[in-house]
Amino acid sequence: DGGITQSPKYLFRKEGQNVTLSCEQNLNHDAMYWYRQDPGQGLRLIYYSQIVNDFQKGDIAEGYSVSREKKESFPLTVTSAQKNPTAFYLCASSIRSADQFFGPGTRLTVL
Amino acid sequence: QKEVEQNSGPLSVPEGAIASLNCTYSDRGSQSFFWYRQYSGKSPELIMFIYSNGDKEDGRFTAQLNKASQYVSLLIRDSQPSDSATYLCAVARSSGSARQLTFGSGTQLTVLP
Repeated sequence: DGGITQSPKYLFRKEGQNVTLSCEQNLNHDAMYWYRQDPGQGLRLIYYSQIVNDFQKGDIAEGYSVSREKKESFPLTVTSAQKNPTAFYLCASSIRSADQFFGPGTRLTVL
Repeated sequence: QKEVEQNSGPLSVPEGAIASLNCTYSDRGSQSFFWYRQYSGKSPELIMFIYSNGDKEDGRFTAQLNKASQYVSLLIRDSQPSDSATYLCAVARSSGSARQLTFGSGTQLTVLP
């Protein structure tokens, strides 16, 4: 089955820890994206990547880092510099500038 | 002023009625407009997109775009309880080969049986 997978579904982080969220797609999409959603809010763009080994900051990149070593994978690291990381994290992909399709999301909670 | 604003809701309509969801945007250079449906605890699902002024119909859904007024709407005809969800309006500005979406905060719709 083609699609976007994210893992884990739920993640708990202690203060001062870095954590990495996984996003994989087998749709052969060029572009991949990371969004953050807070309760009752829309999605805000963290980072996006158009091709392998290239990525750009979105609107709220501070405290986050990404890599794009393979076309299929776009992991997001939430660093200790992100002061309020508790949120629902969504990964998406698209063929170039076409419509974006979302993975199931990872819910991150800081303990 | 928010870049993309939606009627805050929550919106309740009886089963079989027309639900009307509205969205305004501030960037006149916006090129593409999307409606996503998001069930509680789930990820957004694309239901409609529109690029040109006017109406676009897909089954029970109609998207309407007026670029001069910077306004986009979604009409859901014959609303069903399964349509109960949060509807997110998204506006795109293209950047190279990737499209950056700016989302509104969503309108929660409840269809009452």
